[in-house]
Amino acid sequence: QVQLVQAGAEVKKPGASVRVSCKTSGYTFNSYGITWVRQAPGQGLEWMGWINAYGYTNYAQKVQGRVTMTTDTSTTTAYMELRSLTSDDTAVYYCARSHITSGYPTIFDYWGQGTLVTVTS
Amino acid sequence: DIVTTQSPDSLAVSLGERATINCKSSQSVLYSSNNKNYLAWYQHKPGQPPKLLIYWASTRESGVPDRFSGSGSGTDFTLTISSLQAEDVAVYYCQQYYSPPYTFGQGTKLEIK
Repeated sequence: QVQLVQAGAEVKKPGASVRVSCKTSGYTFNSYGITWVRQAPGQGLEWMGWINAYGYTNYAQKVQGRVTMTTDTSTTTAYMELRSLTSDDTAVYYCARSHITSGYPTIFDYWGQGTLVTVTS
Repeated sequence: DIVTTQSPDSLAVSLGERATINCKSSQSVLYSSNNKNYLAWYQHKPGQPPKLLIYWASTRESGVPDRFSGSGSGTDFTLTISSLQAEDVAVYYCQQYYSPPYTFGQGTKLEIK
């Protein structure tokens, strides 16, 4: 069965970086993309960006320049690194499998359980 | 950027009654070449990841109860729960995937009256 398993919670200091992992299984990794979405406390869902299995990325302007999304096809794992953290980056970060239509992500059908990243001094 | 706006922000419905949530996009999400509306609906419960309910505006995801249905085209969309069950209490989001950034609506909190 399709699974996306994310690593456990992280606590970081302002200015630091965090790398969140998303280990996938149960499907052909190269046939789908991975989308990253976050939810700050008490807020709604925010699309951060996506990556396909060949490394093509598209990032939201809000995090452009601070975020890098990568994949490791040998381990079918996706990663999201966010740099220069501030308290505004405190959130639950989700990865989601993305169907690809005409080269772009469409249906986000399976989601990881989420990783809480807390930025605090 | 396409702005997606949901209404209402919160909704209280009696068990067994109909719940209706609306979503409006700032520009059409209907792709003319394939006549598909690039819009999805998600259910989000505390402590769980979002769950895909509806995609292409009206296609129900496998395993989703048939009391959930999606409709609309272009810029105006609706999620309907035909007979509210206790387990449907959640926050519901629409999302456009027509063009990046793939924006979500602000969410609609659904409760039992």
